[in-house]
Amino acid sequence: DTAVSQTPKYLVTQMGNDKSIKCEQNLGHDTMYWYKQDSKKFLKIMFSYNNKELIINETVPNRFSPKSPDKAHLNLHINSLELGDSAVYFCASSHLSVSSNEQFFGPGTRLTVL
Amino acid sequence: SQQGEEDPQALSIQEGENATMNCSYKTSINNLQWYRQNSGRGLVHLILIRSNEREKHSGRLRVTLDTSKKSSSLLITASRAADTASYFCATAINNDMRFGAGTRLTVKP
Repeated sequence: DTAVSQTPKYLVTQMGNDKSIKCEQNLGHDTMYWYKQDSKKFLKIMFSYNNKELIINETVPNRFSPKSPDKAHLNLHINSLELGDSAVYFCASSHLSVSSNEQFFGPGTRLTVL
Repeated sequence: SQQGEEDPQALSIQEGENATMNCSYKTSINNLQWYRQNSGRGLVHLILIRSNEREKHSGRLRVTLDTSKKSSSLLITASRAADTASYFCATAINNDMRFGAGTRLTVKP
């Protein structure tokens, strides 16, 4: 059984387009995350979201917006794509707990903006 | 901003040897976690150590935490070629998780 799944696995698109990446978790977790991993392998958190609170990393452009239709899903919508958005995007989920908040990651979506 | 910083950036060893990776961080934490990432894959959680713990074991993994020095180490004993991957430390402050840049471990058969 897939715990955290993302679609698509690869996404190639032109500058200026709008695209979405979907994420689903079947672990019953109450918190979900989006991360961006650049070519140097730095992993940067973009958003964390539970049913009470959306926390946005202040460095994330407002072209990026998370959308959560329910607790098991957190999709990432990106408007007006730019070359610098090319990266691998990871979704993750965890329990909301300060002591046991290990995260489970999806397989990643490799976004290439041409 | 990054919180943890791993050292070394890259490590190459022979199968059977031990591998030690270090992580330093800057602020007080609730826990520190180590993750593994195989090329082209998502991160996989390996071990979590709480701020009031000093050492933890899981199979061939041994993690230490020194909160006075704000540092942690991950030791992989009797390494195998299949341990080749990138290893990341992540510091948890409340529910905010920050990852380091990772150590790229290569285990030669």
